[in-house]
Amino acid sequence: DSGVTQTPKHLITATGQRVTLRCSPRSGDLSVYWYQQSLDQGLQFLIQYYNGEERAKGNILERFSAQQFPDLHSELNLSSLELGDSALYFCASRHQGAEDYGYTFGSGTRLTVV
Amino acid sequence: GQNIDQPTEMTATEGAIVQINCTYQTSGFNGLFWYQQHAGEAPTFLSYNVLDGLEEKGRFSSFLSRSKGYSYLLLKELQMKDSASYLCAVREYNFNKFYFGSGTKLNVKP
Repeated sequence: DSGVTQTPKHLITATGQRVTLRCSPRSGDLSVYWYQQSLDQGLQFLIQYYNGEERAKGNILERFSAQQFPDLHSELNLSSLELGDSALYFCASRHQGAEDYGYTFGSGTRLTVV
Repeated sequence: GQNIDQPTEMTATEGAIVQINCTYQTSGFNGLFWYQQHAGEAPTFLSYNVLDGLEEKGRFSSFLSRSKGYSYLLLKELQMKDSASYLCAVREYNFNKFYFGSGTKLNVKP
């Protein structure tokens, strides 16, 4: 258990629908990063939050949005889903002050759009 | 921005040594990381370089040359369980962006 919790582990939904993925960072970590990994692809950086504020945006579609709440958990909202959105979605958190350990990842949410 | 390149796939024999290369271009370098990822699982941290040179950690070593935008991960005494994807990642100076290469799939054969 990495300490980063993601729910649900699996999600199957239809095209056009909306889903919400949830992430709780490790205790004490203020940053949350979201990544998308399509089949046999690398990790694509989507968005980062720090202590409730958006800090960086990567290749995130306009149909996707995220937020970080006062208790530091984060949610990634995916709407108007398309078949191509099927992927593993990971969140990661970075320990404040431990810059040489990179980021700790959750176990991911596997989204299947049918 | 960033541009990170790694070979797509490599094959090596159990007990051997393998070197996985990574080249990168970034607008503000602040660290290079290597992660291991088994299929369908989360990436796990292997090593970190921010200064030039070699960092050794048991069977794994990582090298960095900032002037050349180049790193490698060296795996010694390969074991079957080392079959996985190895991801090179670059952090930009403001700590807010952390980019991954597409990963190198390593196949270890008996």
